Amino acid sequence: QVQLQESGPGLVKPSQTLSLICNVSGGSIISGGYYWSWIRQHPGKGLEWLGFIYHSGDTYYNPPLRSRAVISIDTSRNRFSLSLKSLTAADTAIYFCARSDMINYYSMDVWGPGTTVTVSS
Amino acid sequence: QSVLTQPPSASGTPGQRVTISCSGSSSNIGEYNVNWYQQLPGTAPKLLIYGINLRPSGVPDRFSGSKSGTSASLAISGLQSEDEADYYCAVWDAGLNGPVFGGGTTLTVL
Repeated sequence: QVQLQESGPGLVKPSQTLSLICNVSGGSIISGGYYWSWIRQHPGKGLEWLGFIYHSGDTYYNPPLRSRAVISIDTSRNRFSLSLKSLTAADTAIYFCARSDMINYYSMDVWGPGTTVTVSS
Repeated sequence: QSVLTQPPSASGTPGQRVTISCSGSSSNIGEYNVNWYQQLPGTAPKLLIYGINLRPSGVPDRFSGSKSGTSASLAISGLQSEDEADYYCAVWDAGLNGPVFGGGTTLTVL
């Protein structure tokens, strides 16, 4: 059974770059048919898709974040990452990684527990 | 402002049937199948319904989905206290070239 686990700093200063990692266990990240996603949830708010990556390295981003976000994949370590630069308080959120099943309507069928990121000086 | 519109809240009593709507456009719901997620307080979202009305293993058949035109609905029958959660619709959007979420609906079991 595939499991995801996010890791990263809980507190980051404004203008800095956030780096998050999502470790994939119980299955291979190069399994065909899956994109690997990042989603965030601002405090008390809804879900926002940030982007996803295929094991080939193909990436897709939510347009408002395209200039600040980079999603990468490390198949040797079975994990993928999110880098988000030029942080502001508006980036304070819970960040989730998830597996998107492209065969089944890009449904996100496996989620990590989430990691809370606070942007503050 | 979310691309998909959901009512912010819904409620029902135990045993009742409740529906949650999700309104979109021709570039998303009108063209693609809708997924629904349940988020219990303090936890990650969980896939509830995919492809309009398919349930992952372990999801009770009390949960069902439907779609008509550019709108979709989630129905919960035989409402239980453990159904109290936030519910999100999501669908691929051709303009975004990615998935979009509704703003979420908080379900209260009275």
